[in-house]
Amino acid sequence: QKEVEQDPGPLSVPEGAIVSLNCTYSNSAFQYFMWYRQYSRKGPELLMYTYSSGNKEDGRFTAQVDKSSKYISLFIRDSQPSDSATYLCAMSASNFGNEKLTFGTGTRLTIIP
Amino acid sequence: ETGVTQTPRHLVMGMTNKKSLKCEQHLGHNAMYWYKQSAKKPLELMFVYSLEERVENNSVPSRFSPECPNSSHLFLHLHTLQPEDSALYLCASSQDPAGTGDSPLHFGNGTRLTVT
Repeated sequence: QKEVEQDPGPLSVPEGAIVSLNCTYSNSAFQYFMWYRQYSRKGPELLMYTYSSGNKEDGRFTAQVDKSSKYISLFIRDSQPSDSATYLCAMSASNFGNEKLTFGTGTRLTIIP
Repeated sequence: ETGVTQTPRHLVMGMTNKKSLKCEQHLGHNAMYWYKQSAKKPLELMFVYSLEERVENNSVPSRFSPECPNSSHLFLHLHTLQPEDSALYLCASSQDPAGTGDSPLHFGNGTRLTVT
């Protein structure tokens, strides 16, 4: 079993739709959860960061963590063509030292105008 | 220049060639990383340097040789590569080696490597 599972897509939705991106994981020690966005021919950039369980909202983006189910989600409201990118989840058990991040494979998202 | 810059953007090399990838960060960070990104696979951490000392070597074959001469520069020296080494090689930096939300990774745009 992979440590982090993420549906690679591709996922295509019409402009204005609500998008739900998800990752599941097996390591119950993970406490720090991140979403990175990667545009074509660019490096990933941090989009959202949450610690432990709960929700975090930033504009049209909401990150949700359910540690009991080992499941994290990223919701995008009022999706725009500029949201078309690959979204990578990443997680870690520690916030310091040499604890490395574990990434998902990424979900490729296209918003259709 | 701002952020993390990588050169070259594209590289095609034969299996017997020797080449180097270069990364420079302009963020004043203390940690630098090499990642490998292959299609439909998670990002693979290859090497981590903290304050110019290697702190992680993730069982990477010896045909990949990193060098960190100072906290702003990172190189990946390549020799006798295999076709399966073709991938996007990403450099990243962070304030400290954790790379988590309080000290996130800042990635360059990568070098697309093709081994023929």
